[in-house]
Amino acid sequence: DTEVTQTPKHLVMGMTNKKSLKCEQHMGHRAMYWYKQKAKKPPELMFVYSYEKLSINESVPSRFSPECPNSSLLNLHLHALQPEDSALYLCASSQDKAGGRVGEQFFGPGTRLTVL
Amino acid sequence: LAKTTQPISMDSYEGQEVNITCSHNNIATNDYITWYQQFPSQGPRFIIQGYKTKVTNEVASLFIPADRKSSTLSLPRVSLSDTAVYYCLVGDPYGQNFVFGPGTRLSVLP
Repeated sequence: DTEVTQTPKHLVMGMTNKKSLKCEQHMGHRAMYWYKQKAKKPPELMFVYSYEKLSINESVPSRFSPECPNSSLLNLHLHALQPEDSALYLCASSQDKAGGRVGEQFFGPGTRLTVL
Repeated sequence: LAKTTQPISMDSYEGQEVNITCSHNNIATNDYITWYQQFPSQGPRFIIQGYKTKVTNEVASLFIPADRKSSTLSLPRVSLSDTAVYYCLVGDPYGQNFVFGPGTRLSVLP
């Protein structure tokens, strides 16, 4: 199974709502990532988890809260978002150490988020 | 993190070879060069990765000169389905921190 799944595919939320994005992989990868992608722009790294510990936080506002409950699951909790946070949110995973292609990231299809 | 530059867009015709060059003048010793392909409303997909010289797989080749300050992704005999955005990334994979370049929008015409 070389698939990263993300739910939901689409999400519309108001600025006062609390919602969560979910990402799952069963490839035994120990690194998982959240990216944000605006239209016609490259993905921007938000968070990296390595062995279920947050290893990189790219100065993301606190209204985005990541969580890694176990090695297969990654959540992104959303609260009090702004309309400019509307984007495609991508999850990815990779092997932490060499084995196969070093650093190759497997991406999910993304969640299209619209904040009203 | 090494900053990369790529052409914003390229056009090609079916059956032609396409070469997309990425510049990364301040690449570090530990950095690898990785290329991803992205179709609309999908996540990026790994194409190829290299450190130096030439790497070839079933879909592409990657040419890296000795100074490693640039790299060229070569797609042989493109088809309409190769129309996508191609991203060059430079970074230390063990640091788990890659920065996507601006991307090159390739349009393959019939």
